[in-house]
Amino acid sequence: SQQGEEDPQALSIQEGENATMNCSYKTSINNLQWYRQNSGRGLVHLILIRSNEREKHSGRLRVTLDTSKKSSSLLITASRAADTASYFCATVIQGAQKLVFGQGTRLTINP
Amino acid sequence: DAMVIQNPRYQVTQFGKPVTLSCSQTLNHNVMYWYQQKSSQAPKLLFHYYDKDFNNEADTPDNFQSRRPNTSFCFLDIRSPGLGDAAMYLCATSLGTPRTDTQYFGPGTRLTVL
Repeated sequence: SQQGEEDPQALSIQEGENATMNCSYKTSINNLQWYRQNSGRGLVHLILIRSNEREKHSGRLRVTLDTSKKSSSLLITASRAADTASYFCATVIQGAQKLVFGQGTRLTINP
Repeated sequence: DAMVIQNPRYQVTQFGKPVTLSCSQTLNHNVMYWYQQKSSQAPKLLFHYYDKDFNNEADTPDNFQSRRPNTSFCFLDIRSPGLGDAAMYLCATSLGTPRTDTQYFGPGTRLTVL
């Protein structure tokens, strides 16, 4: 069964609006990471948040982590057409040595 | 610029014909990973090397093998590709383990099996 599940599977918004994507997971984690993938390309790391952290920011990105609810959210503020991509959360389960990716959210920013 | 390079970007092979995908890195990272990503799915880890130590995922088919002759290069060998092996293959590197370090991905090789 999937460790990470993302919601929504697809999101379409107007340029300038904020985009929020959510990730839920099943077992205790060491850290949670968000990646972006442009169509047909490799993944680009966005943010890593550790299990003892609640919020991190990077430019227009804000990630929150609620370990009691086993969930995380990625907020992209003031979206741009270039933000159109798939966004994946990935978790490192405690005691494990690998990333497990969720199914991703496909984000489309309409000009 | 330090980076992860994958060659070729597109590979076409015939059913059952062995194929090798290559990955090189200039980051001098200790760990190299191979992921398989099928259309609209999550990347799935096949195996990884920590230095020369090979770590195979339990559900990786025997048809998939890997070699890491030195720090910079890692190869994915598919001995007898089937139609179900058509996918994007992603190479990634990290300085240390995923518990502490992020992964840097190459652009991927898209494999087509005819």
